Order: sequence, then C-alpha cells, then structure tokens
Amino acid sequence: DTAVSQTPKYLVTQMGNDKSIKCEQNLGHDTMYWYKQDSKKFLKIMFSYNNKELIINETVPNRFSPKSPDKAHLNLHINSLELGDSAVYFCASSQQPSDSPLHFGNGTRLTVT
Amino acid sequence: GDSVTQMEGPVTLSEEAFLTINCTYTATGYPSLFWYVQYPGEGLQLLLKATKADDKGSNKGFEATYRKETTSFHLEKGSVQVSDSAVYFCALSGDGGYNKLIFGAGTRLAVHP
Repeated sequence: DTAVSQTPKYLVTQMGNDKSIKCEQNLGHDTMYWYKQDSKKFLKIMFSYNNKELIINETVPNRFSPKSPDKAHLNLHINSLELGDSAVYFCASSQQPSDSPLHFGNGTRLTVT
Repeated sequence: GDSVTQMEGPVTLSEEAFLTINCTYTATGYPSLFWYVQYPGEGLQLLLKATKADDKGSNKGFEATYRKETTSFHLEKGSVQVSDSAVYFCALSGDGGYNKLIFGAGTRLAVHP
C-alpha cells in the first residue's frame, strides 16, 4: 500500500501552460506539504496544510496555488509555467507534534521546455 | 534564520569502509534533528532522529548524536554496503512549529564493491 502517492510521476510541458500535480495520503495524517527539489538536490518547503488550513506559505510566486479539498489530499496547481519551475516536486505528510517524521511521495519530475 | 550545512559530496567509499557525513546547524531554540535518505528515483525516508541534546539516533547501523555544544549532528556508519549508496539529508525542525523541516543540501554517497 502506497502511503503518500503523487501523480503524475513525470510531467513535460511548454512554457506558459498551466498544470496540476495531485497528492494523496492514506496514513491519516493531519498535515501535508509540498517541497521543491532543484537540480542540485536542494530541498525547500513551499506550502503546508494542517486539516485543510494553510499554515506555511514560503516566498513562492503566486503562480503556484495549493488546494486541499480534504486532509488526505493536497494538490498543486501551477499557472503560466516558466523554465525555472523545472524541478522535482515532493508531496509529504506528517502527524503532529513538530518532531514527527515526514513521509514523502516519490516525486513528480516537472520539465518545462 | 535557521539553517543546516552539510559536507559536500560526492563521498565515494569501498564496501566495509567507515562513513562520516558532517552536519552542523544554526537554530534558535532547541530543534529536533533528523537524517533522511533518498534512494534513486524515490522520495526521502526518515533514517534517524534526535530530539534533544546528547540524544543518539540510530537505525540500520547508522548513528548520529545531537551535540548542542558544537551544534552538530554527524552521521556515521561503521561498515557501509553497496546498498547504502544514496543521497543523505540532514534536517532540523525549524522555528514556528508546524513541523517546518529545513534541509541541508544533501550529500551523495557512492559505495563500490
């Protein structure tokens, strides 16, 4: 059973397009996250939701809009894609308190041409 | 703000060699510290953690001790295997609660037979 699953695994698209990445977790966790991993493997948090409420919103362009229809799902929509958006995007989930481990999905490799 | 610094890789070792990957941190308060591992094509997995000074986290032969006086959390393993080849990330739970993990840049380990 996959704990944190995200789709698609690969996404190739052209500049200016709009695309979405979906994430679902079946762990019963309250908190979900989106992380971006650049080509040098550096990981940076983008967003976090706790029980469908946005709690972390780092300095991410407003072309990126997360949506959490329920606490098991956190989707990421990206408008007007740019070359610099090319990266691997990881969804993760965790239970509180603050030192509980994150469970990551296998990532979505986004390539913008 | 809080930050994590890891030794740059890649680290290349022969099987059964001793491994050390250095990690130091800067943080306000008393963060929890983590090591995550990323195998090729997969998401990150928690390897071990320590929640307070002098705690030792251990798992699968890997160890790391939370050293408050040197603000370090170095990862060690006495005898590496080819299957340990992966990227290793040091992380801390950042300020502001809500499990905002701040990652180091990652260190790639390659173990040869």
